[in-house]
Amino acid sequence: GQQLNQSPQSMFIQEGEDVSMNCTSSSIFNTWLWYKQDPGEGPVLLIALYKAGELTSNGRLTAQFGITRKDSFLNISASIPSDVGIYFCAGQGGSEKLVFGKGMKLTVNP
Amino acid sequence: ETGVTQTPRHLVMGMTNKKSLKCEQHLGHNAMYWYKQSAKKPLELMFVYNFKEQTENNSVPSRFSPECPNSSHLFLHLHTLQPEDSALYLCASSQAPDSYEQYFGPGTRLTVT
Repeated sequence: GQQLNQSPQSMFIQEGEDVSMNCTSSSIFNTWLWYKQDPGEGPVLLIALYKAGELTSNGRLTAQFGITRKDSFLNISASIPSDVGIYFCAGQGGSEKLVFGKGMKLTVNP
Repeated sequence: ETGVTQTPRHLVMGMTNKKSLKCEQHLGHNAMYWYKQSAKKPLELMFVYNFKEQTENNSVPSRFSPECPNSSHLFLHLHTLQPEDSALYLCASSQAPDSYEQYFGPGTRLTVT
């Protein structure tokens, strides 16, 4: 089945810094989604991408659907303490179901 | 608030108990999902319901029994669970099964003793 590689697995940054994370797939995807999960809560959808090369922003978050359709990137600019959480990528390709990455745990030091 | 609620938020049960998890979505969606989230593993899809009909059972043991009485409600009935079933169980909904924007509830943290 389709698999996602999400990296890095964790990051520690200072408040105000920018952070980037990415996901790569073993096959071509038609949809990329980025979620954030706060402790004790379910994942919340941040950004959805449907077209190769698409660049979409949601406030300080920017995500891109890779040209090869096998990767996606999420950038957070000017991080703040409430950005702490686990960020998941999810993707779908062909007739397959949505698959999720293992998540990237972000820690923001004030 | 994502429009998907789950109860209870926390559940501790013995291996011989029977309990049920409840999910309700207020988004007018037609597809609902159960996922299992374990530490350091990707979300595992368990069941998919489309317009109340089960369309996917991802090789889930029979000690997990889903029920979808209508498009807004989804249950997961649990019986004779094992300690390795301890996890966060997440419910999600989407407009349709081929609409990949899924909206998640807060989850039920299940501990099996």
